[in-house]
Amino acid sequence: GENVGLHLPTLSVQEGDNSIINCAYSNSASDYFIWYKQESGKGPQFIIDIRSNMDKRQGQRVTVLLNKTVKHLSLQIAATQPGDSAVYFCAENASDDYKLSFGAGTTVTVRA
Amino acid sequence: GAGVSQSPSNKVTEKGKDVELRCDPISGHTALYWYRQSLGQGLEFLIYFQGNSAPDKSGLPSDRFSAERTGGSVSTLTIQRTQQEDSAVYLCASSSSGSSGETQYFGPGTRLLVL
Repeated sequence: GENVGLHLPTLSVQEGDNSIINCAYSNSASDYFIWYKQESGKGPQFIIDIRSNMDKRQGQRVTVLLNKTVKHLSLQIAATQPGDSAVYFCAENASDDYKLSFGAGTTVTVRA
Repeated sequence: GAGVSQSPSNKVTEKGKDVELRCDPISGHTALYWYRQSLGQGLEFLIYFQGNSAPDKSGLPSDRFSAERTGGSVSTLTIQRTQQEDSAVYLCASSSSGSSGETQYFGPGTRLLVL
């Protein structure tokens, strides 16, 4: 499942497929980016982060890509599982600020 | 505890009543943040505490909202004369020093419903 280049509020993906979630950010001064996962009834859970001096970072089954030229961030989830069903938020932080600015969120639904 | 804790997990109140929401940050974290999440929305910054510095209250939506952090640890968010539009999930986060580029860890939130 993929919403290439666009931020879409929902993404439906078949179990076992790869997922790509996109996020556009607006502040060119942002230099730290985080992806959070929020399951129903819970608080946001840290997944992975990336700093502006990198364009790719990998974790366990997840990869974050950063394109500073077009101010675009993406989260790739490999071999999506039912437990990956959640709302995913990107957040950005400027170098002179401590507040996080959050995107609108993408609801990922994994089909069995 | 190992993570950020918040209480109560759910709160139902009547319009006009005051409510207090509590946050216990990760031990050793000096920075504490409150955010609000309305239904189906992203997170909105409310207030930030860092050590003994004056808090950043720039996100508080009205003077009915206030927050304290006692002893550099536990924080209480108070909403006076609650209104129905205050219904939301109130999330607390903490980070080690409050610097930019630092991961914020969130608690489970308090779900507030104002009838």
